[in-house]
Amino acid sequence: GAVVSQHPSWVICKSGTSVKIECRSLDFQATTMFWYRQFPKQSLMLMATSNEGSKATYEQGVEKDKFLINHASLTLSTLTVTSAHPEDSSFYICSARGSGLPASGANVLTFGAGSRLTVL
Amino acid sequence: AQSVSQHNHHVILSEAASLELGCNYSYGGTVNLFWYVQYPGQHLQLLLKYFSGDPLVKGIKGFEAEFIKSKFSFNLRKPSVQWSDTAEYFCAVIPGGGYNKLIFGAGTRLAVHP
Repeated sequence: GAVVSQHPSWVICKSGTSVKIECRSLDFQATTMFWYRQFPKQSLMLMATSNEGSKATYEQGVEKDKFLINHASLTLSTLTVTSAHPEDSSFYICSARGSGLPASGANVLTFGAGSRLTVL
Repeated sequence: AQSVSQHNHHVILSEAASLELGCNYSYGGTVNLFWYVQYPGQHLQLLLKYFSGDPLVKGIKGFEAEFIKSKFSFNLRKPSVQWSDTAEYFCAVIPGGGYNKLIFGAGTRLAVHP
């Protein structure tokens, strides 16, 4: 089945530094990838949608200059948290959608295992 | 505001008890509906989905869900839970179907005691 890999699974960084999280679709081409943020005991909140080769679409309230998303290939999307601060500490989850028609199940998302970011 | 509501935040059951987790959404028209499960320390996995057709959907691990359009509901059920079902369960909706955004409910944390 479809597999999405995220790296790193856990990262600790100092305030003011930037952190890059990778999301890879291992056995399928992901035309669209989604980045979610999950706070403790809360649901997943969609941050942005990225389509291969184009600029990401950010949800309202998400700073695009702080959360840089790049989707340079059909198997890789990256999220860079720039100048991270303690309030950016969270669990970041990516998901990927393959090609094909929705009726075929292509709009069923495959999720990565998540990346826990702790900013000191 | 339009949303996905999961009524129970925490559910505690004994093994062999029956389970029903509520999910309601407030979007009109076509919807695609999903239940995802997140076992401790693991990533989200799809339990089942509804696009169209039979409103009673069977998923993996003995789970099923029923789409009741008139009630805007998509409740998850399992007749007899096991300790291994301990996890967090998320209801999710694609309003309008197709390639629209997937919107999650707040999740229900299920603890099953042996």
